[in-house]
Amino acid sequence: TAGITQAPTSQILAAGRSMTLRCTQDMRHNAMYWYRQDLGLGLRLIHYSNTAGTTGKGEVPDGYSVSRANTDDFPLTLASAVPSQTSVYFCASSVRSGAHNEQFFGPGTRLTVL
Amino acid sequence: AQTVTQSQPEMSVQEAETVTLSCTYDTSESNYYLFWYKQPPSRQMILVIRQEAYKQQNATENRFSVNFQKAAKSFSLKISDSQLGDTAMYFCAFMKRGEVRGKLIFGQGTELSVKP
Repeated sequence: TAGITQAPTSQILAAGRSMTLRCTQDMRHNAMYWYRQDLGLGLRLIHYSNTAGTTGKGEVPDGYSVSRANTDDFPLTLASAVPSQTSVYFCASSVRSGAHNEQFFGPGTRLTVL
Repeated sequence: AQTVTQSQPEMSVQEAETVTLSCTYDTSESNYYLFWYKQPPSRQMILVIRQEAYKQQNATENRFSVNFQKAAKSFSLKISDSQLGDTAMYFCAFMKRGEVRGKLIFGQGTELSVKP
């Protein structure tokens, strides 16, 4: 199985433009997450979804939005990109949230905002 | 709020030797989970080992083991018989039990280089 796929692998984006990062999982996991990874800061949670149809804000949600129309897909949208959103973005999923279930991570999207 | 601290930005070890990566955390919670994730140059995050705070026995997964000191809020990772494939960034992470957001709190990471 593919696990979690993310697209694109990398992207250079002009400030002010919008962009959607795609994430798809084939494990039928209920919970999905978006993290951003910045040097010296580890990974920080942007948004999460405990089940299809529900989403919630994480630690650093400003400037980002998500939707969860079905179990498999969890896209992350930047409505108007700013240089501070330059980062590596990871999508993850787990059987359910709030437990010690392993979070499985996608390969990441490297985004550069100029 | 919980915090996770990894005080060793970089470490190196010779192949076949043992290395210990440090992690401390701060929390007022009594029930929680601790994890070590590995991120090789491929960027893929891989779970190495996990520990449930209510279990006193230290977790072990093949060459990887932890030293969990709950009172000291310390969670170190020991890698025995280091292999070249262990070269990676290692992240310590914390999750409160029952965390509805499923939020993992990560440390800053330790970059480990295994030298031949």
